[in-house]
Amino acid sequence: GAGVSQSPSNKVTEKGKDVELRCDPISGHTALYWYRQSLGQGLEFLIYFQGNSAPDKSGLPSDRFSAERTGGSVSTLTIQRTQQEDSAVYLCASSPRPGLNTDTQYFGPGTRLTVL
Amino acid sequence: AQRVTQPEKLLSVFKGAPVELKCNYSYSGSPELFWYVQYSRQRLQLLLRHISRESIKGFTADLNKGETSFHLKKPFAQEEDSAMYYCALRIQGAQKLVFGQGTRLTINP
Repeated sequence: GAGVSQSPSNKVTEKGKDVELRCDPISGHTALYWYRQSLGQGLEFLIYFQGNSAPDKSGLPSDRFSAERTGGSVSTLTIQRTQQEDSAVYLCASSPRPGLNTDTQYFGPGTRLTVL
Repeated sequence: AQRVTQPEKLLSVFKGAPVELKCNYSYSGSPELFWYVQYSRQRLQLLLRHISRESIKGFTADLNKGETSFHLKKPFAQEEDSAMYYCALRIQGAQKLVFGQGTRLTINP
């Protein structure tokens, strides 16, 4: 079946502009995660959704970052007033059975964000 | 705070040689440990998890709680093993993964 999809695959923006990144999880997966992969920082957790609620937002780096999930499916990560340090690959993942030790996170291809 | 350390950013070995990618973690509870792999132009995918205690593509990893390590090993490397490898930790009661910085493994012919 279809895996996790993300759009756009690449986004170039100017400093100070707002951007929206989209994630379509695997159908039926209740959990959705956002991570960021940047040079020198590795993979960092941003936020976790269970259904439409976000019980763990501990990784969001500032209040310029926000995310929402609607209908227990699609999620949007919004970065306001982008800064050059926001440049990174933003990865989305989904999983079917959060809370079970057999749960597996399946990753999307990522969105490469470049802030000029 | 929980932390995963992969001391080698780059590792290069010859085809047929043994491979060991190191991973150490800091967490006082009972961890769940994973190895994820990202092949060139492919998405990040799960390679193996410690609770499964299985061998995937010839790779194995044993959780050593005394040394807080979860090193990935393969006795005979193959060229198709060239990839980026990430060790990850999930703590009790949480869903997020804490990743190491990754090790880029290159297998030379």
